[in-house]
Amino acid sequence: GDSVTQTEGLVTLTEGLPVMLNCTYQTAYSTFLFWYVQHLNEAPKLLLKSSTDNKRTEHQGFHATLHKSSSSFHLQKSSAQLSDSALYYCALSDEGYQNFYFGKGTSLTVIP
Amino acid sequence: DTTVKQNPRYKLARVGKPVNLICSQTMNHDTMYWYQKKPNQAPKLLLFYYDKILNREADTFEKFQSSRPNNSFCSLYIGSAGLEYSAMYLCASSGTASSYEQYFGPGTRLTVL
Repeated sequence: GDSVTQTEGLVTLTEGLPVMLNCTYQTAYSTFLFWYVQHLNEAPKLLLKSSTDNKRTEHQGFHATLHKSSSSFHLQKSSAQLSDSALYYCALSDEGYQNFYFGKGTSLTVIP
Repeated sequence: DTTVKQNPRYKLARVGKPVNLICSQTMNHDTMYWYQKKPNQAPKLLLFYYDKILNREADTFEKFQSSRPNNSFCSLYIGSAGLEYSAMYLCASSGTASSYEQYFGPGTRLTVL
């Protein structure tokens, strides 16, 4: 079945260093990939989405490129900020069935 | 307004008692979802409504019920809560014109004692 695997657990970074959160997926159908960010006590919010192979998508300083050949959609940012501390989910949408599959989430903490 | 609202934000329930959680959206989205989120686990899709059609996951359909009296509201109903139901319940909505982007509510934290 469809599934998403992402960098698990806790990631702690020093402010100014690059961010890289991994996401790989398995699906047999057409694919939309998403990154959601959830700050403390807030609802998850869409950060990035893509369905186009090898196209870089960017928003709020973050970027990701969907690579269907390697089934990956890694989240990157060149320089971490304190406000980036949050929980990040990678998710896969199965277009045919309107199902969403989430990874377990990665908790990013940026320290001064 | 792209807000999805959930009520209550926190719910305390006794084992064996019913629980009803409410979600609303005013974006005229045709699909509304309910997820269960437990610590260190991925959000798990429980069910979703596409318009008036209810789709429930095979491994949880006996545990959760839902109703959607109109386009804006959707409820999640637990007939008899067990300790294993303690979790965060997230509601989300999406429209076919939004490329399957889901808008999430802040969640309801259910604690069953």
